[in-house]
Amino acid sequence: EAQVTQNPRYLITVTGKKLTVTCSQNMNHEYMSWYRQDPGLGLRQIYYSMNVEVTDKGDVPEGYKVSRKEKRNFPLILESPSPNQTSLYFCASSLRYGGQGGSSYGYTFGSGTRLTVV
Amino acid sequence: AQKITQTQPGMFVQEKEAVTLDCTYDTSDQSYGLFWYKQPSSGEMIFLIYQGSYDEQNATEGRYSLNFQKARKSANLVISASQLGDSAMYFCAMRERGTNFGNEKLTFGTGTRLTIIP
Repeated sequence: EAQVTQNPRYLITVTGKKLTVTCSQNMNHEYMSWYRQDPGLGLRQIYYSMNVEVTDKGDVPEGYKVSRKEKRNFPLILESPSPNQTSLYFCASSLRYGGQGGSSYGYTFGSGTRLTVV
Repeated sequence: AQKITQTQPGMFVQEKEAVTLDCTYDTSDQSYGLFWYKQPSSGEMIFLIYQGSYDEQNATEGRYSLNFQKARKSANLVISASQLGDSAMYFCAMRERGTNFGNEKLTFGTGTRLTIIP
């Protein structure tokens, strides 16, 4: 089954304790991205990756790191989490956008990770 | 300026009635894609429908149709014969190619919470 797998689904942690949220896709997609969702703000992009070893900042990258050592995996790292990073996080993957693609150029989303930093 | 604007934070609709969720977008690109996603209370993001900027026909997927008015830059979602299971958050999103394929992304609106009343 084609899917994006995120782990964990739920995480409560304390301020300053490093954590990693894993993301893996089995569709051979080049493009992967992390979003955070906050009430009233929709989804905002944190980081994205065009392919292996190619990553760049999205709209809200502060406090986050990513890596793309393999095509299928794109972990999100919070080196020193703070309470303002409490949010719902989504990993997503896609074929590289060609500009006129059909619905297959939409993103496939993981199930989400609800993170609480206390 | 907002790239994607959803002006209805919440809507209440009687079961079996049709409902229109508004979405306007802003882009200077000629080539882009518009998507609608559904997010039920369980949190996952479910792809509903896609419209490409060059598509001349409005997209339809079962009970969902997209009323695409390119000159007005609007991409409203129409749900016919609403059902209780349609109660969810709905997000409009736009994918643009970007200037160098390095910054393409899906930009989301803030969402509309739809509640279907029995």
